Amino acid sequence: EVHLEESGGGLVQPGGSLRLSCAASGFTFTTYSMNWVRQAPGKGLEWLSYISSGSSDIYYADSVKGRFTISRDNAKKSLYLQMSSLRAEDTAVYYCTRDEMRYYMDVWGKGTTVTVSS
Amino acid sequence: QSALTQPASVSGSPGQSITISCTGTSSDVGSYNYVSWYQQHPGKAPKLMIYEVSNRPSGVSNRFSGSKSGNTASLTISGLQAEDEADYYCSSYISSSTLYVFGTGTKVTVL
Repeated sequence: EVHLEESGGGLVQPGGSLRLSCAASGFTFTTYSMNWVRQAPGKGLEWLSYISSGSSDIYYADSVKGRFTISRDNAKKSLYLQMSSLRAEDTAVYYCTRDEMRYYMDVWGKGTTVTVSS
Repeated sequence: QSALTQPASVSGSPGQSITISCTGTSSDVGSYNYVSWYQQHPGKAPKLMIYEVSNRPSGVSNRFSGSKSGNTASLTISGLQAEDEADYYCSSYISSSTLYVFGTGTKVTVL
């Protein structure tokens, strides 16, 4: 069964850092690009970042550019999101998703919650 | 990049058909046949329902269909069922660097 599981969320103070992880299983991770998407409480979905299968192509939404860094370890079948300079508006559920041709996201994890508050 | 525009809510009775619109611009929805739709039940992760405007992934009911005209894409749910009550989001490819924009979301209520 194809599965994505995020971890690493929690409570962090404004200005702090956090690293999210996403463990993949049930498919050949090395052949798929991946994304991070978030959803603030009561709000809609927001695409954050994309990484190609071999990490050669990386893109970010303007809202997180310069603060967040996406990476992956194909040997560990894992995706990461390093978040720094966190703000209250970064409070959200963060989902990792499997990408299909950069045109849609066909598999989603259950999400991990990040709360930025003092 | 602004979010695609969806109605905040749409409702219908069991068995009826409803349509959710997703309006973008000539730079996103109007330029590419890469519109996708996602269903999200409360407290759950989104689920892909339609990709590339009108294609259904394996396992998705054929009661769900998608279309596009100009800068507006649409999701139609026919034979509405209680389990269809959820939030629905459209998404479009934008460009080779920005990649994705989502819609504002529509809450579907089954009366």
